[in-house]
Amino acid sequence: DGGITQSPKYLFRKEGQNVTLSCEQNLNHDAMYWYRQDPGQGLRLIYYSQIVNDFQKGDIAEGYSVSREKKESFPLTVTSAQKNPTAFYLCASSPTGTGPANYGYTFGSGTRLTVV
Amino acid sequence: QKEVEQNSGPLSVPEGAIASLNCTYSDRGSQSFFWYRQYSGKSPELIMFIYSNGDKEDGRFTAQLNKASQYVSLLIRDSQPSDSATYLCAATSGYSTLTFGKGTMLLVSP
Repeated sequence: DGGITQSPKYLFRKEGQNVTLSCEQNLNHDAMYWYRQDPGQGLRLIYYSQIVNDFQKGDIAEGYSVSREKKESFPLTVTSAQKNPTAFYLCASSPTGTGPANYGYTFGSGTRLTVV
Repeated sequence: QKEVEQNSGPLSVPEGAIASLNCTYSDRGSQSFFWYRQYSGKSPELIMFIYSNGDKEDGRFTAQLNKASQYVSLLIRDSQPSDSATYLCAATSGYSTLTFGKGTMLLVSP
């Protein structure tokens, strides 16, 4: 049963703490993405990766870091430099080449991060 | 900056009516356009995509694209209460990513 698994579903972060959100896919997609969703703000791109060991910054990369050591995995670290991390984080994937143009994204179920 | 604009709503329609959701985009280079449905607290799910001018129909859903006007729409016929959700419009941005609008909330009353 192919899909994208995000964990945990809920995450609480203390001030000054780094936390890592997991994203794993078994769709054999080359491209993976991280978006952040705030109420009334829509989805904003944080980072994306089109191939293993390579990734690009999106529109709001400051305070975040990623790695892409395996095709199946694209973890996102929310660092203490991110001053307003409370949001709903969505991981997505798409096939290679013109994948997004032809297929759009497949999304994971999301991680809701709250600063406590 | 490339933008996708949507009316935030809510758009309220009675059950059985046609719901019309609209979207405009700023990047003339965008090639493909997507409609996602998002229930509260859940992740978006793809409903339809379109890349040619004109209409594309899939069941109760029709997507319409007018590249000259940079306008995309989604029609939902015979609206049901289960269609109540936020609908996100997205456009390709370059070859690699999608740019999303903020979404339109649709409320279908029984």
